[in-house]
Amino acid sequence: NAGVTQTPKFQVLKTGQSMTLQCAQDMNHNSMYWYRQDPGMGLRLIYYSASEGTTDKGEVPNGYNVSRLNKREFSLRLESAAPSQTSVYFCASSRQGDQPQHFGDGTRLSIL
Amino acid sequence: GDSVTQMEGPVTLSEEAFLTINCTYTATGYPSLFWYVQYPGEGLQLLLKATKADDKGSNKGFEATYRKETTSFHLEKGSVQVSDSAVYFCALSSGNTPLVFGKGTRLSVIA
Repeated sequence: NAGVTQTPKFQVLKTGQSMTLQCAQDMNHNSMYWYRQDPGMGLRLIYYSASEGTTDKGEVPNGYNVSRLNKREFSLRLESAAPSQTSVYFCASSRQGDQPQHFGDGTRLSIL
Repeated sequence: GDSVTQMEGPVTLSEEAFLTINCTYTATGYPSLFWYVQYPGEGLQLLLKATKADDKGSNKGFEATYRKETTSFHLEKGSVQVSDSAVYFCALSSGNTPLVFGKGTRLSVIA
């Protein structure tokens, strides 16, 4: 009954370091998403993958890259972390784009 | 583009009070509408949904009715509990597109 699993749960980075956030789902969902959540800003979509083999930019893609490794896994990479990327990152999945999304518990990332 | 506007919080209520959190939307076509809830330290969970006009979604004592004429999907609960303290997000999806979320409304219920 895992649903959507994100690793790590917490991470502290220094400016300029790189980092990959991992996400895996076991619900055989086609679509996967990465969001960031900041105070007063709600959830903002970074990238999404409508199906295996495709990725698309969301509202705030700059400074991030993604890889849809297979149907289960969708990773988010920060190549050169900046303090503005301090946030809580959520991964989500759904059967298809307009279906309810299932969320992971989040990764709390601080960049000093 | 599509957008969701929900009332700003925080909202503070006493236990057993009536709750309304307003949500209005702008969308092309006929979107599906959702309410999500986020408890402290957790991810978002689907609370309820409605897929067409006049549908009422309900769950855990919460309900919301899809009002096409007023483009609204207000969340209501007759008697809130301390355990309902959380952040509530209204969201929509038009066709096969990712969800568009409102900014969230924080609810605090005091005993």
